[in-house]
Amino acid sequence: KAGVTQTPRYLIKTRGQQVTLSCSPISGHRSVSWYQQTPGQGLQFLFEYFSETQRNKGNFPGRFSGRQFSNSRSEMNVSTLELGDSALYLCASSPAAGVFHNEQFFGPGTRLTVL
Amino acid sequence: DQQVKQNSPSLSVQEGRISILNCDYTNSMFDYFLWYKKYPAEGPTFLISISSIKDKNEDGRFTVFLNKSAKHLSLHIVPSQPGDSAVYFCAASARSSNTGKLIFGQGTTLQVKP
Repeated sequence: KAGVTQTPRYLIKTRGQQVTLSCSPISGHRSVSWYQQTPGQGLQFLFEYFSETQRNKGNFPGRFSGRQFSNSRSEMNVSTLELGDSALYLCASSPAAGVFHNEQFFGPGTRLTVL
Repeated sequence: DQQVKQNSPSLSVQEGRISILNCDYTNSMFDYFLWYKKYPAEGPTFLISISSIKDKNEDGRFTVFLNKSAKHLSLHIVPSQPGDSAVYFCAASARSSNTGKLIFGQGTTLQVKP
């Protein structure tokens, strides 16, 4: 079974621009969560989607948004980029919402650098 | 407000010895705890978990201990191997909330020296 894939793997943007990151979950998985990893902060929860609906949202400004499509693929968008948005963005998929977390599988992440 | 804390950013141990990674949490609603391991350029991979109804869970060389009264958990790796060198994250959730949201610590970088 193919794992979680994220595209692109690396991205360089400038302040003020917007960016869209993509996540394809494991086949059959319907839940997708997004996390931001920065040095010293660990992984911080952004949002969770299940069946095209956002089920949960972390403490991030409205510049961060996401969506999920009918095929469970998910995208997240960051508008008006700031230097502090430079981070590794990780996507995780699981078969259903609220399942045991040992069934949550992470992708390799997208490294976003904002200049 | 950091609800899950890993106060040691790094740990270095000799191959064959025990590695002990620590994690503290503040939210008493957390009832499920996990450890993830992360290599560079890869996403975190699940290692071991423990429910709050237990105080210990073992899986091969990995054992997680939970002290609910102290709101503290630890991961023991015995014996440590060079391939264990990675960043380890502890994470917590409130399973009763029926959400995929995990609260992670900042991570501890483990280096196992041959």
